[in-house]
Amino acid sequence: NAGVTQTPKFQVLKTGQSMTLQCAQDMNHEYMSWYRQDPGMGLRLIHYSVGAGITDQGEVPNGYNVSRSTTEDFPLRLLSAAPSQTSVYFCASRELAGGRSYEQYFGPGTRLTVT
Amino acid sequence: AQSVTQLGSHVSVSEGALVLLRCNYSSSVPPYLFWYVQYPNQGLQLLLKYTSAATLVKGINGFEAEFKKSETSFHLTKPSAHMSDAAEYFCAVSGAAGNKLTFGGGTRVLVKP
Repeated sequence: NAGVTQTPKFQVLKTGQSMTLQCAQDMNHEYMSWYRQDPGMGLRLIHYSVGAGITDQGEVPNGYNVSRSTTEDFPLRLLSAAPSQTSVYFCASRELAGGRSYEQYFGPGTRLTVT
Repeated sequence: AQSVTQLGSHVSVSEGALVLLRCNYSSSVPPYLFWYVQYPNQGLQLLLKYTSAATLVKGINGFEAEFKKSETSFHLTKPSAHMSDAAEYFCAVSGAAGNKLTFGGGTRVLVKP
């Protein structure tokens, strides 16, 4: 199993540009999520999904869109990038059955810089 | 609502010395708690988790953590630090529905030879 994969690893955007961060998992996990990591703030939840066609907002959803058309993929879209979105983005997945005791598996991250 | 506080954003230890990383949490429901480790330029890897079974939890790489309900704490320890333990460590608590994992700010560990 490849686990959770993310592309690209690095990206530089200009203010106002749009892009999609890709995330895929091959573990058949129903739950997938996106976090951003900023120094001293740990990881903060952006959006999450509990299955295909179902998404919900996390702690910091503004400026980001998500969709979930398949179990495997959960892309994160930045419609109009801003410097405040400069961060490291992590995708994670876990089993849904069994609830909150299950660990999340993290991808390697995407480092995004918005100039 | 839940929150996590990690005391100390940076910890420096000598090789062979005790590693102690502090985590305090608040949760409106019985908590499920996790410690993750992040090595440079990598994603997060689970060290250990507390899910209401034993209060002393053993994880990978010689780490363990003790859940203390009265102190709302879940501190991480390792008796003898190794150079390979240099990383950033995150404590996290799972929300009531399990859909939101709340992280502390992280503690970066430096191991001196």
